[in-house]
Amino acid sequence: DAEITQSPRHKITETGRQVTLACHQTWNHNNMFWYRQDLGHGLRLIHYSYGVQDTNKGEVSDGYSVSRSNTEDLPLTLESAASSQTSVYFCASKGDRGDEQYFGPGTRLTVT
Amino acid sequence: QQQVKQSPQSLIVQKGGISIINCAYENTAFDYFPWYQQFPGKGPALLIAIRPDVSEKKEGRFTISFNKSAKQFSLHIMDSQPGDSATYFCAASDQAGTALIFGKGTTLSVSS
Repeated sequence: DAEITQSPRHKITETGRQVTLACHQTWNHNNMFWYRQDLGHGLRLIHYSYGVQDTNKGEVSDGYSVSRSNTEDLPLTLESAASSQTSVYFCASKGDRGDEQYFGPGTRLTVT
Repeated sequence: QQQVKQSPQSLIVQKGGISIINCAYENTAFDYFPWYQQFPGKGPALLIAIRPDVSEKKEGRFTISFNKSAKQFSLHIMDSQPGDSATYFCAASDQAGTALIFGKGTTLSVSS
């Protein structure tokens, strides 16, 4: 069955380190998204991509970057992790025809 | 500027009662309004969605009511069950793109 996966599921890192969170989907969806979820803030859009080589900034993009070299993957990189980036990160994908976004299981990131 | 405002932040309902969650939006370009359900430790999953050409959509015990002139929409859960206990997010997107803007979420607890 097609699915969307994220890895790692849990990560602890130190301030200043570079961290990359992986997102992989097998639906062949062109549209992929990264959100962060924090108590009291809901889900906020970090970056998104509408296809290979396309990337766009979302509401809270500072300190994050993405690259889209193929359809299946959209890795999220924290260039220099900060404590304010401690959060749960969700990746999602969406086909061109339907409206539904399918979410991955999330990655809980702790920056110490 | 919060584009989608959701209330209440938390809700406690007796089993068999009606749960009502409200959302208001500001951007008149929004044309897709989904509700997502999230259980602890899981990613959000689409529950029900509506477009502004209809005022109501019902799927089982879940109903979206939409008021275009007031720029408001709400989720009604009839005959609420303990298994409905979860966090609910409203969201919206516009015609130009597919990225979702989420409300801050409502934690629903259904007591048995």
